[in-house]
Amino acid sequence: QKEVEQNSGPLSVPEGAIASLNCTYSDRGSQSFFWYRQYSGKSPELIMFIYSNGDKEDGRFTAQLNKASQYVSLLIRDSQPSDSATYLCAVKRLGTYKYIFGTGTRLKVLA
Amino acid sequence: DTAVSQTPKYLVTQMGNDKSIKCEQNLGHDTMYWYKQDSKKFLKIMFSYNNKELIINETVPNRFSPKSPDKAHLNLHINSLELGDSAVYFCASSHRTSGRSGETQYFGPGTRLLVL
Repeated sequence: QKEVEQNSGPLSVPEGAIASLNCTYSDRGSQSFFWYRQYSGKSPELIMFIYSNGDKEDGRFTAQLNKASQYVSLLIRDSQPSDSATYLCAVKRLGTYKYIFGTGTRLKVLA
Repeated sequence: DTAVSQTPKYLVTQMGNDKSIKCEQNLGHDTMYWYKQDSKKFLKIMFSYNNKELIINETVPNRFSPKSPDKAHLNLHINSLELGDSAVYFCASSHRTSGRSGETQYFGPGTRLLVL
């Protein structure tokens, strides 16, 4: 079992729809969770981080964390073609330096 | 101003050669990382330094040797390059603070290494 699993996609959604990206992790000791966006040929950039169970909203983005079920998701409302990218989930234990990334989900927003 | 910079951006070389990649950050961070991203986009941590001290050394061939001359710089030297070393290498930095906001990593633009 991979430490952090994501569906590789592509996930195709029409413009204006809600895109839902999911991530599961195996280490119950994980306490910090991150979503990065990576455009083709570019470096990952942080979209959001979440530490507590529940939802965290930032503009069109909402991160959802459920530690009991060991999953974290990212919702993108009003999806735009410019949101088309690979979304990487990363987890980390508190007090450690090691970030573990999933393989990413490729999102395509169709105009 | 570039926060995390890497040189070179592209590196094409023959098998068996030795090459170095350099990374610099001007964010005042105390922790720096090297990641390897393969063709399937899997981003895997290789090394991490905190205040010039090696703190993460993943299962990486000993042909790879990191060096951190100071907190703002982390270099990666690769000996006897192999075809399988072809990948994108990303440098990143973060600041280890008592607060969790310091956990955010900032990535450099990447070095695309192609071994022929």
